[in-house]
Amino acid sequence: AQSVTQLGSHVSVSEGALVLLRCNYSSSVPPYLFWYVQYPNQGLQLLLKYTTGATLVKGINGFEAEFKKSETSFHLTKPSAHMSDAAEYFCAVSGEIGAQKLVFGQGTRLTINP
Amino acid sequence: NAGVMQNPRHLVRRRGQEARLRCSPMKGHSHVYWYRQLPEEGLKFMVYLQKENIIDESGMPKERFSAEFPKEGPSILRIQQVVRGDSAAYFCASSPLLQGSATGELFFGEGSRLTVL
Repeated sequence: AQSVTQLGSHVSVSEGALVLLRCNYSSSVPPYLFWYVQYPNQGLQLLLKYTTGATLVKGINGFEAEFKKSETSFHLTKPSAHMSDAAEYFCAVSGEIGAQKLVFGQGTRLTINP
Repeated sequence: NAGVMQNPRHLVRRRGQEARLRCSPMKGHSHVYWYRQLPEEGLKFMVYLQKENIIDESGMPKERFSAEFPKEGPSILRIQQVVRGDSAAYFCASSPLLQGSATGELFFGEGSRLTVL
């Protein structure tokens, strides 16, 4: 079985500052890991994903995440925050090939201060 | 190329009524997933369907909830005798036939927001 823990339900940073959203996972099989973003009253949009290969993955809007197996982590970062990054971010894991059910973390609400 | 289409976007029901939520997957996708998002919470898996077949319903409440994905037409999530605790956003997602490879990505609709009075 898989599970995801996102540390910090609310994160606030200043515009231009580093964004760091933490995600730790638990999986009994090699995981597939995802970050999704949700803007108010909208569905989820994929930011980036890790399946196999390079552990540092780049996504849309300047975000990237690094898969660290030893730490069971998949933290999301962006060097310089923009006002438009304000949204809810969800980390998710899937570990069963052929069954794409995703298990989501509880989400982190990112606020950008001008 | 239309994405995942959900309707209605907003639905208001009184306690005891029925709610029907519809989802049309992306073109070429044969797998449909339903998730529920309660206020201030993450998404909780409910059910995974292929055409005419429920694959995994481990997240579905035992009573009042049902889902189908018929050969023709959209997938439907049905909630009978709604209660206030059913108020939530219900998201549908789809994915393509795997064909021996799996990336796990799901494509989400914009959700149906159910309010029970």
